[in-house]
Amino acid sequence: LAKTTQPISMDSYEGQEVNITCSHNNIATNDYITWYQQFPSQGPRFIIQGYKTKVTNEVASLFIPADRKSSTLSLPRVSLSDTAVYYCLVVSRYSSASKIIFGSGTRLSIRP
Amino acid sequence: SAVISQKPSRDICQRGTSLTIQCQVDSQVTMMFWYRQQPGQSLTLIATANQGSEATYESGFVIDKFPISRPNLTFSTLTVSNMSPEDSSIYLCSAHLQGATEAFFGQGTRLTVV
Repeated sequence: LAKTTQPISMDSYEGQEVNITCSHNNIATNDYITWYQQFPSQGPRFIIQGYKTKVTNEVASLFIPADRKSSTLSLPRVSLSDTAVYYCLVVSRYSSASKIIFGSGTRLSIRP
Repeated sequence: SAVISQKPSRDICQRGTSLTIQCQVDSQVTMMFWYRQQPGQSLTLIATANQGSEATYESGFVIDKFPISRPNLTFSTLTVSNMSPEDSSIYLCSAHLQGATEAFFGQGTRLTVV
């Protein structure tokens, strides 16, 4: 499984767009990039997953360049409730049968 | 999606005792996973619970300390044995639905050993 590197912490303000970048230099052909969000006293929650280019859902966008060695999670117009830890993971396409290893995550703090 | 229920949600235990944490999934899943999370830290995978076979443990975790049961496709238990204060942590259960890459997590069990 490819190792991921992301900033330990980030700060932003309500209404701003937040971009969290993750490096995964050793990503394999069959790997997806997946992001999870974890609030205090809760288990992680799946946010978004992508293989290449751009993926968007109601929560976030995920940008993946052609070489796939990095990815950027974009949270539009954040609010205080977006304060959480965000984990970037590389998972096998066949991850229903393989384990998920968490990196250090990015602790995002949103201020009024 | 899948809903994962963990019990207990928290417990305070005496050192030297054991605690069994239960994890119930509302769907049948092939594999379940147990994690430990120290305060302010990331999740560390303890083991993969396979239905019908022995659990697979990660480096640094052993069956004698963390025995796991997986009697069917919707249920698993993790026992923390002979506890010491160093075992104080949050323990989380996780599972994937068949053919899905998204993992679902329980709310966790907050264990304090005194």
